[in-house]
Amino acid sequence: SAVISQKPSRDICQRGTSLTIQCQVDSQVTMMFWYRQQPGQSLTLIATANQGSEATYESGFVIDKFPISRPNLTFSTLTVSNMSPEDSSIYLCSVERQLNTEAFFGQGTRLTVV
Amino acid sequence: QKEVEQDPGPLSVPEGAIVSLNCTYSNSAFQYFMWYRQYSRKGPELLMYTYSSGNKEDGRFTAQVDKSSKYISLFIRDSQPSDSATYLCAMSGGNTGNQFYFGTGTSLTVIP
Repeated sequence: SAVISQKPSRDICQRGTSLTIQCQVDSQVTMMFWYRQQPGQSLTLIATANQGSEATYESGFVIDKFPISRPNLTFSTLTVSNMSPEDSSIYLCSVERQLNTEAFFGQGTRLTVV
Repeated sequence: QKEVEQDPGPLSVPEGAIVSLNCTYSNSAFQYFMWYRQYSRKGPELLMYTYSSGNKEDGRFTAQVDKSSKYISLFIRDSQPSDSATYLCAMSGGNTGNQFYFGTGTSLTVIP
């Protein structure tokens, strides 16, 4: 299994500000994934981050709101920009052992926007 | 119709009980089936992984996949208070590209 370190583990932020979440993996991976987990809802994929190229965003998510960096094969960041209370959620970083199989997750970042 | 349906519970059982958790799905192309356990304030932890139909056993946990019925199950034998968590099913493969589809999770409490 992959060891994924994600920080911060939680934060309380003022509306209109931005928060950058970091994700560090203990081995090189081609793709890293960012999810959002809201109460009572299934995990929702925000975007897929490949090293050396722009992230691919899912429907309903845009780069201006959730810019992603992927500077190397073990690290990625997700920024939640111009936050509003609706952005309050758990954000999770994930990698896959092989394509389509066995996704592993970081411990998540619990974000509260006030 | 959602890709994956999972009863959110909550489910409360006495210690030692057999627990059955279930998911149904609509996409017959799914090939990989996973169960995750998520403790409060933690990320999901991979519990069981199954490819295609059949059963897989790991200690007190058994995962079953019935592709003909589009139905997967996770059984927990001799449940323990430490099993109290939210359990999420997930599926991928086939014509879904590299995307995973998750259930909403079932909250389980095992009472000592």
